[in-house]
Amino acid sequence: SYELTQSPSVSVSPGQTARITCSGDALPRRNAYWYQQKPGQAPVLMIYKDTERPPGIPERFSGSSSGTTATLIVSGVQAEDEADYYCQSSDTSGTYVLFGGGTKLTVL
Amino acid sequence: QVQLVESGGGEVQPGRSLRLSCAASGFTFSRYGMHWVRQPPGKGLEWVAVLWHDESNKYYADSVKGRFTISRDISKNTLYLQMNSLRAEDTAVYYCARDLGSGGSFYFDYWGQGTLVTVSS
Repeated sequence: SYELTQSPSVSVSPGQTARITCSGDALPRRNAYWYQQKPGQAPVLMIYKDTERPPGIPERFSGSSSGTTATLIVSGVQAEDEADYYCQSSDTSGTYVLFGGGTKLTVL
Repeated sequence: QVQLVESGGGEVQPGRSLRLSCAASGFTFSRYGMHWVRQPPGKGLEWVAVLWHDESNKYYADSVKGRFTISRDISKNTLYLQMNSLRAEDTAVYYCARDLGSGGSFYFDYWGQGTLVTVSS
């Protein structure tokens, strides 16, 4: 079955660049989406269709995708960016949704 | 402004049923597909079900297929999740979310605040 794989954790110092990856066999054929979730809150859409940023999302958040790996890039990380990040995609038949296991971004 | 407000969660015994509701406002409810997504305590997100905007399709995660049913009442701008034969592993915060995808490529632009379902004897 199709899965999305994320590293459990990423740690960076303020001002550095964080890269959070998501691997899946169908990603060459399906878009990746990224959500930020802070404790006790609902997820927030950060990146859609691999690289697009919704209105209101800071420019330091960007996305890329190549082959079977999608990447969320946070440039100039700030303390407020500490959160869990989830990638998401759909199967190629369009009948179910997948989430990666999530990556905890820690700002040192 | 778009708002999604879930209700109906609570504690229930294994094998029993529960119906969740999601009241939608701020957009034309009938034009959007809607999903349920859940999150067990301390764990990641798990997709549960989708209802297409025209109700032509409903799809479910394997873990809930045959036990859960997604539906909506357009006159009340409300999405539902009927959950039968509940198990301990169904314990989670349940979110409703609006779909902005197309052609079977789903994603979520608005989420509710979630409602907690606890299945315990």
